[in-house]
Amino acid sequence: DAGITQSPRHKVTETGTPVTLRCHQTENHRYMYWYRQDPGHGLRLIHYSYGVKDTDKGEVSDGYSVSRSKTEDFLLTLESATSSQTSVYFCAMGQGAVTGELFFGEGSRLTVL
Amino acid sequence: SQQGEEDPQALSIQEGENATMNCSYKTSINNLQWYRQNSGRGLVHLILIRSNEREKHSGRLRVTLDTSKKSSSLLITASRAADTASYFCALNSGTYKYIFGTGTRLKVLA
Repeated sequence: DAGITQSPRHKVTETGTPVTLRCHQTENHRYMYWYRQDPGHGLRLIHYSYGVKDTDKGEVSDGYSVSRSKTEDFLLTLESATSSQTSVYFCAMGQGAVTGELFFGEGSRLTVL
Repeated sequence: SQQGEEDPQALSIQEGENATMNCSYKTSINNLQWYRQNSGRGLVHLILIRSNEREKHSGRLRVTLDTSKKSSSLLITASRAADTASYFCALNSGTYKYIFGTGTRLKVLA
């Protein structure tokens, strides 16, 4: 509904393999975010982007990298997946602090065996 | 950590009752938002309150903000079974970052 989609929605992989999650938006929002959600921790910010090629780290960025080569796509990469990265990953987009509202994707469930 | 702490962690009420959940935080904020998450879905924005506001209403939702106590509350009046979800507060300190709380799981019994 909000013009933001994540792929894949589910992925099972093995420890040590690289994984890339994709977030695609059609709303031309400037800001994009990757969060992970784990029981007891709520949502924790991994990385965010404030424009094309402009990214910054969040609270739990170790082991993750991101890229934003165009406005509509924000990629999250796990260079070498570990079992501690088993989680549900959410992408979000927004116009910034002025309007405030974030729009979320439906989530990507990643299992690292 | 700037993360908001929500209280209670879980809440179970009867349909028609009011549900109140609280969010406490440690840093100064520009605005505070509340989001809802149905099981297995993404978060949906409910309401935003700015640091210079004390109360806002939206339908059956009422949000208060006390910046001196660094706390906010979300009241859902006349709850319905469809309100069953997790509710999160999100803090914005005037930058691009939004930091979420740990969430309150609300169960409304029909």
